[in-house]
Amino acid sequence: GQNIDQPTEMTATEGAIVQINCTYQTSGFNGLFWYQQHAGEAPTFLSYNVLDGLEEKGRFSSFLSRSKGYSYLLLKELQMKDSASYLCAVDRGSTLGRLYFGRGTQLTVWP
Amino acid sequence: NAGVTQTPKFQVLKTGQSMTLQCAQDMNHEYMSWYRQDPGMGLRLIHYSVGAGITDQGEVPNGYNVSRSTTEDFPLRLLSAAPSQTSVYFCASRDNLDNYGYTFGSGTRLTVV
Repeated sequence: GQNIDQPTEMTATEGAIVQINCTYQTSGFNGLFWYQQHAGEAPTFLSYNVLDGLEEKGRFSSFLSRSKGYSYLLLKELQMKDSASYLCAVDRGSTLGRLYFGRGTQLTVWP
Repeated sequence: NAGVTQTPKFQVLKTGQSMTLQCAQDMNHEYMSWYRQDPGMGLRLIHYSVGAGITDQGEVPNGYNVSRSTTEDFPLRLLSAAPSQTSVYFCASRDNLDNYGYTFGSGTRLTVV
């Protein structure tokens, strides 16, 4: 398998901050994506990291360490609508075009 | 732009039947790929294409064929449907300059009885 690991479930309270971790094998790495998926819907793009460091986009930030095979997605000021599955995916191989996904982290935000 | 269009949205097949899931994109993206999503398994790559005329296998290719005769279209064919192919299928595309990643279609929910 592709060994992309992320927690299965997380819960948090409205207004809080949550960090979802993702670890992956480092071979053939072309970039790491985070997607949000609500039940019954298609994944929607949240962030993309190809270089080490932090990418910030509004309430969402994503961090990458290529040498450690580690990324996290940080969600701030949580809202009820953030309850969804968060998917970590690695673009891997000699060419672009192949995404390998973790099993997703189901986040539940409580009022 | 319509983005990535998948048809049909829902389909029920009998075991042994064949069908084609359609995927089309109007963004002139080079890279297209097919995924299946099953409960507890996440999305798994079936086949992918790096350009017209070029396809290759992903993680779970058995039972599926693809072709890429044009940049826009990337159909997925089930030759002889099996209950194990009951799943939600997503098509996605990107180009090599797109830092906004892969664009996904809305999915096809397939049930094989």
